[in-house]
Amino acid sequence: DAKTTQPNSMESNEEEPVHLPCNHSTISGTDYIHWYRQLPSQGPEYVIHGLTSNVNNRMASLAIAEDRKSSTLILHRATLRDAAVYYCILRDRVKAAGNKLTFGGGTRVLVKP
Amino acid sequence: GAGVSQSPRYKVAKRGQDVALRCDPISGHVSLFWYQQALGQGPEFLTYFQNEAQLDKSGLPSDRFFAERPEGSVSTLKIQRTQQEDSAVYLCASSLVGQGGRDTQYFGPGTRLTVL
Repeated sequence: DAKTTQPNSMESNEEEPVHLPCNHSTISGTDYIHWYRQLPSQGPEYVIHGLTSNVNNRMASLAIAEDRKSSTLILHRATLRDAAVYYCILRDRVKAAGNKLTFGGGTRVLVKP
Repeated sequence: GAGVSQSPRYKVAKRGQDVALRCDPISGHVSLFWYQQALGQGPEFLTYFQNEAQLDKSGLPSDRFFAERPEGSVSTLKIQRTQQEDSAVYLCASSLVGQGGRDTQYFGPGTRLTVL
């Protein structure tokens, strides 16, 4: 399975943007890039996903490198509620193994008021 | 609408006891997943159902772990003869389809199991 590498933690000030990097140098052509986050004492929740093109939704933006070996999750204006562990996950769209989520250690985001 | 619910939210068991953890998925969701999350770690996959069929149980750590979904809706994760290393948060997730690597999984709040 292709693996992802993320920094252990990042700090941000409230109302400033947060850029969360993820390296996935062994990504295959059939892998989607997914992001989930887990707020304290809650189950993970979906944030965004993409394949090749950059993606935007109400929660965040996903910037995917042209060679797809890295991606960046962008929170445009961090709020205290965005303090969570953010997981970058690859999911194969063809193989059955892509049905499940394979979490790594994630990045713990601390938002300072 | 109602999300994924799990019960109990907290369970304390003595070593050697059997426990049963329940998951109620979102209505109409075909696929159901169980994950185990140890303290300070990311969740790890245990098993996966599509309707009532258990398609993948490769993540179950031992034969003491058993999961079922007899009518394709509610699922139960059973752990027999609990050990201290079984202490973790058990998360359930459901998704509309479950295939293709792109559908969203919706997670419940988890059951925190503590084995003394």
